Amino acid sequence: DAKTTQPNSMESNEEEPVHLPCNHSTISGTDYIHWYRQLPSQGPEYVIHGLTSNVNNRMASLAIAEDRKSSTLILHRATLRDAAVYYCILRANNDMRFGAGTRLTVKP
Amino acid sequence: GAGVSQSPRYKVAKRGQDVALRCDPISGHVSLFWYQQALGQGPEFLTYFQNEAQLDKSGLPSDRFFAERPEGSVSTLKIQRTQQEDSAVYLCASSLGTASNYGYTFGSGTRLTVV
Repeated sequence: DAKTTQPNSMESNEEEPVHLPCNHSTISGTDYIHWYRQLPSQGPEYVIHGLTSNVNNRMASLAIAEDRKSSTLILHRATLRDAAVYYCILRANNDMRFGAGTRLTVKP
Repeated sequence: GAGVSQSPRYKVAKRGQDVALRCDPISGHVSLFWYQQALGQGPEFLTYFQNEAQLDKSGLPSDRFFAERPEGSVSTLKIQRTQQEDSAVYLCASSLGTASNYGYTFGSGTRLTVV
């Protein structure tokens, strides 16, 4: 399985941008990069996904390196409700395996 | 419904008891997945259905675990002779399609505690 590497934890101040990094040096050409987040006592929630180009949606932006070996999830203005565990996942067809993720703490 | 529904929300079982966990996916979603999440860990894949066909059960930890989706909609995860190490949150997810560019929608999970 292709694997991802994320920092165990990060902190951010409220109202500031947050850049969550992910390394995936063994990514294959058909793997999509998916991001999910999990709030306490809830199931994971889809955030964003991409293949090669940068992507934007109402929740976040995804910046993908040109060689696709790394990506960054960008929260433009962190709020207290963004405190969660963020998972970066490589998805090939119906194989989607989670790692340990990054625990984001947002300070008021 | 609007989302993936799982029941019960909490289940306490005595060691050796059989349990059944239910998942109602989003109507029309072809793919259905079960994951197991231990405390402080990321979700671990258990099994995957495409409609009623179970196409991947490589993540089921033992033959005490059994999943079915007989009519291609509701799914049940059954655990026989529960053990303490089965204590975890069991998550169900569904997806509209099978391609890699489809996202998953997860339920809130069933927290199983084996005493």
